[in-house]
Amino acid sequence: GQQVMQIPQYQHVQEGEDFTTYCNSSTTLSNIQWYKQRPGGHPVFLIQLVKSGEVKKQKRLTFQFGEAKKNSSLHITATQTTDVGTYFCAGPANFGNEKLTFGTGTRLTIIP
Amino acid sequence: NAGVTQTPKFQVLKTGQSMTLQCAQDMNHEYMSWYRQDPGMGLRLIHYSVGAGITDQGEVPNGYNVSRSTTEDFPLRLLSAAPSQTSVYFCASSYGQTTGELFFGEGSRLTVL
Repeated sequence: GQQVMQIPQYQHVQEGEDFTTYCNSSTTLSNIQWYKQRPGGHPVFLIQLVKSGEVKKQKRLTFQFGEAKKNSSLHITATQTTDVGTYFCAGPANFGNEKLTFGTGTRLTIIP
Repeated sequence: NAGVTQTPKFQVLKTGQSMTLQCAQDMNHEYMSWYRQDPGMGLRLIHYSVGAGITDQGEVPNGYNVSRSTTEDFPLRLLSAAPSQTSVYFCASSYGQTTGELFFGEGSRLTVL
């Protein structure tokens, strides 16, 4: 079955440093979604990418969808303490009506 | 507009007991799903529903039952609780099955002794 892997599993950065998490799927994805989960909270939707090679920005966050639609990345510029949490990617296989599979997540901690 | 409401937030069970986790949404979403979250394993799909009267299995359905008699409600039943079912459970809903934003409930933390 489809597998969605994320690296790294954990990342500790100094406040102000950049952060990147990578998402890789074993199958082609029709779209990729990103979620953020604060400690003790529930996942909250950040963005969805659909097109091959698509890049979207939300303030300090940059999301990319790979040309082959099998990988994606989330980059945070100049991290802040409010960025703490676990970031998940999620995607369905590219043959329609497939269940959404979540990646294993990257937990980001910020050292003030 | 409450979104997705889950109850209870916390529950402790003994092995062999049964219980139901309740989930309700007020956004008229056709798609609803249940996930469990365990450390280092991300979110794993238990069961999902694409509309009232329709349910299907996810990745880890064993030991769980669901039903969808109305658009709003999607309860998850643990038939005979086992310690391996100790987890945090999230209900989620969206307009579509694989596209569009998934709205999550606040979660239910279940401990099975």
